[in-house]
Amino acid sequence: NAGVTQTPKFRILKIGQSMTLQCAQDMNHNYMYWYRQDPGMGLKLIYYSVGAGITDKGEVPNGYNVSRSTTEDFPLRLELAAPSQTSVYFCATSKGGSVYEQYFGPGTRLTVT
Amino acid sequence: GQNIDQPTEMTATEGAIVQINCTYQTSGFNGLFWYQQHAGEAPTFLSYNVLDGLEEKGRFSSFLSRSKGYSYLLLKELQMKDSASYLCAVVEGGATNKLIFGTGTLLAVQP
Repeated sequence: NAGVTQTPKFRILKIGQSMTLQCAQDMNHNYMYWYRQDPGMGLKLIYYSVGAGITDKGEVPNGYNVSRSTTEDFPLRLELAAPSQTSVYFCATSKGGSVYEQYFGPGTRLTVT
Repeated sequence: GQNIDQPTEMTATEGAIVQINCTYQTSGFNGLFWYQQHAGEAPTFLSYNVLDGLEEKGRFSSFLSRSKGYSYLLLKELQMKDSASYLCAVVEGGATNKLIFGTGTLLAVQP
């Protein structure tokens, strides 16, 4: 099992460009999350999903969009990239409920210049 | 508001014991996680506490006091590979399992 995979690993964007960060899981987990991690800061929740067709905003959703058409995939869309979106992005999954640990993908390191 | 505090950095010696503290003030509480994150890698699960007391798992133990809004992670018999960031994260509450993360404690283990 691959667990949680993310593509790409690295990306450099110019200001105003758009891109989609891909996240896929083969763990059959209903819950999926997108976080960003800035240097010296904790992870901040961007969006999350509790199942296919259901998404909701986290702490820092501005400038991002998500969709969840299948259990396996949870892409994160950046429209009109800005330097403030330079960060490391982690996708995570969990079986659901507050007692379950989250499993993180390897991350995507994004630079916007 | 939501606030989770951890020391920014700690240094310890190989073979020793180190305690990493975490204090929190959150609008809801449904448990507390500790994650380990090596440089350039993803966080990985270490422990979960929802009831007061100590949870032991090999060289790692985690303690929770809900009334004090306080937790600590205890690492025994430190090894060089334990050099990493340790993230304290509080479950905000409800069924969504949303985590509020602290900024992490960077632990350096020296020979």
